[in-house]
Amino acid sequence: NAGVMQNPRHLVRRRGQEARLRCSPMKGHSHVYWYRQLPEEGLKFMVYLQKENIIDESGMPKERFSAEFPKEGPSILRIQQVVRGDSAAYFCASSPQGGSYDTEAFFGQGTRLTVV
Amino acid sequence: TQLLEQSPQFLSIQEGENLTVYCNSSSVFSSLQWYRQEPGEGPVLLVTVVTGGEVKKLKRLTFQFGDARKDSSLHITAAQPGDTGLYLCAGETDRGSTLGRLYFGRGTQLTVWP
Repeated sequence: NAGVMQNPRHLVRRRGQEARLRCSPMKGHSHVYWYRQLPEEGLKFMVYLQKENIIDESGMPKERFSAEFPKEGPSILRIQQVVRGDSAAYFCASSPQGGSYDTEAFFGQGTRLTVV
Repeated sequence: TQLLEQSPQFLSIQEGENLTVYCNSSSVFSSLQWYRQEPGEGPVLLVTVVTGGEVKKLKRLTFQFGDARKDSSLHITAAQPGDTGLYLCAGETDRGSTLGRLYFGRGTQLTVWP
């Protein structure tokens, strides 16, 4: 049973370009979460999506960032016109449907974005 | 502002020693989770605690959730070099019908020397 798959693992973009990060959740998982980890900081929540719906985007910057989780295919985190401050590790997590307290989120290996 | 404060930030000990990592907040959490993260990898869940005062053991690791559900601790007995890693606590403040956003602490970087 494959885990959460993120690609690419490493992404280098020049300032002003677009970055597209992909996340395929674990089989059977319908909930996806994106987190960002800056050097020496903890993970910061960005957005929570279910298939075709954004549930909570309270952690997303208002501009340049968007996320989707289409009916078919992976979840995409898109960063337009990247700046150096966007350099970070971006992690995706997925969880199955259900709200019991033993529901857990499984994290992918992350995409390390470097803006040059 | 960090909702969860972890201490210490760095911990360097010899094999065989015991250690405790703390995770504190002024907020109440519906559940609290501990993760371990290796360099270049994503966090891996160690345990979830949901009841105030709850204690969970995982081999040499003991996790405790405070009575008021505002703090937690991780205690490792007889640490081994394989325990080296970044330990993260994360809390959920409002459990709705599904698992929601997690608030993470900055982490404790543990190094165990042979």
